[in-house]
Amino acid sequence: NAGVTQTPKFQVLKTGQSMTLQCAQDMNHEYMSWYRQDPGMGLRLIHYSVGAGITDQGEVPNGYNVSRSTTEDFPLRLLSAAPSQTSVYFCASRALAGVTYEQYFGPGTRLTVT
Amino acid sequence: LAKTTQPISMDSYEGQEVNITCSHNNIATNDYITWYQQFPSQGPRFIIQGYKTKVTNEVASLFIPADRKSSTLSLPRVSLSDTAVYYCLVGEASGGSYIPTFGRGTSLIVHP
Repeated sequence: NAGVTQTPKFQVLKTGQSMTLQCAQDMNHEYMSWYRQDPGMGLRLIHYSVGAGITDQGEVPNGYNVSRSTTEDFPLRLLSAAPSQTSVYFCASRALAGVTYEQYFGPGTRLTVT
Repeated sequence: LAKTTQPISMDSYEGQEVNITCSHNNIATNDYITWYQQFPSQGPRFIIQGYKTKVTNEVASLFIPADRKSSTLSLPRVSLSDTAVYYCLVGEASGGSYIPTFGRGTSLIVHP
C-alpha cells in the first residue's frame, strides 16, 4: 500500500494563477479531507468528502474548490492564487466503518504564492 | 466546533514519563478524543483514541475522566525521537461524518 500520496511536493505560483493539488489513496477509504498548516499553527480543515460525489466545507473553504469523482482521488483546486494561500497542504483519509477515527496523512505539498 | 486547549510547549528528559493534558469543555456526547504526533515537514501520525476511562497501546496511554472535559496523553520513558508536536482532537459529528479540529498542539522537546 502506498497509503496517501500527494503531488507535487513543492510548488511556486504567481498571484492569480490557478492550480490543482493532487491527492490519492489506495486504502478504499470513504472519508478524505484537505488541511492547510501555516507556520507555528495547527492544521485547519479546508474541505472534506464522505464518499464519491459528496463534498462539504470545513473551517477555511474560501478560495478552494474540491470534487470527488472516485473513491481514490480528492483534488484541491486553487482558482486564483493569493499570497495568503502560501502554506503547507495536507491530504488525509480514513475509513468510515467502525469506531476508529484514525486519519492517514499524506506527506504534504508546500505551496508558495508570490 | 469543539475546541481544545493544550500547553504550547513542554520540556522533558530522556527516560522520563511525559503527560500532556488537553481541555475540551464543550465535548459532545458522541465525540471521541484522538491524539496525533507531527514531526517537522511531515504529516501528522495517529497515536491513540479514546472515549472514556483509560486506553493503552504500544506507544502511549490516554486517560479520560468521567466528565470527559479533559484528557491526558501519557508517553512512558520518552526518547529524543519523541521530540515532536502533539495534537489533541475532539470530533464534531456532522451528518455521520467526523470533522476533527486541530488546535495549535503542544511542542514537546526531549533533552538528553
